[in-house]
Amino acid sequence: NAGVTQTPKFQVLKTGQSMTLQCAQDMNHEYMSWYRQDPGMGLRLIHYSVGAGITDQGEVPNGYNVSRSTTEDFPLRLLSAAPSQTSVYFCASSYGSRGPNTGELFFGEGSRLTVL
Amino acid sequence: GQQLNQSPQSMFIQEGEDVSMNCTSSSIFNTWLWYKQDPGEGPVLLIALYKAGELTSNGRLTAQFGITRKDSFLNISASIPSDVGIYFCAGYNYGGSQGNLIFGKGTKLSVKP
Repeated sequence: NAGVTQTPKFQVLKTGQSMTLQCAQDMNHEYMSWYRQDPGMGLRLIHYSVGAGITDQGEVPNGYNVSRSTTEDFPLRLLSAAPSQTSVYFCASSYGSRGPNTGELFFGEGSRLTVL
Repeated sequence: GQQLNQSPQSMFIQEGEDVSMNCTSSSIFNTWLWYKQDPGEGPVLLIALYKAGELTSNGRLTAQFGITRKDSFLNISASIPSDVGIYFCAGYNYGGSQGNLIFGKGTKLSVKP
């Protein structure tokens, strides 16, 4: 049981490049989400999904795209990378079809992205 | 939007000391949670509180759900080096468009052996 798996762990991009951060979970969780973590800013929600085919925006969605074609996978796409998107990105999942049932989220280990 | 005020922002303590941190909000929450993030890892849930006034312990950790439902605190007794990390509070109301899970900005704990 691997939990939440994120790839890649580290990535360096040039401004304007696009890329996809992958997230997969093997716990059959309906709820999945993406956060970014910046120093002094805590965890900010980018996008979330309450099930396959259903996604919605969080607090900071601009510049990011998501899709949810299966229960297991929830990739995050950076359309045209900017230095302001330099951050640590966390994928998280939970039970519940309307949000995390109990508030407990299971986080991946993070993907550290640098945009030059 | 809703915000949580978590304090202190950082703490640098001696091994063996007790630690106290808290989280306040202008809004009411039905659930308070405390997560810990070890260096280089993702956050992990430490304690969840579901009832106003509830006091819950997990080993050396004790957390309380404030009676007004607008605050929570976390205490760590007799700190050890592996307590190092960032502690996040989170307030949560189930339902709505995104379950309304809000994180504080974190308390960074450093422990000197």
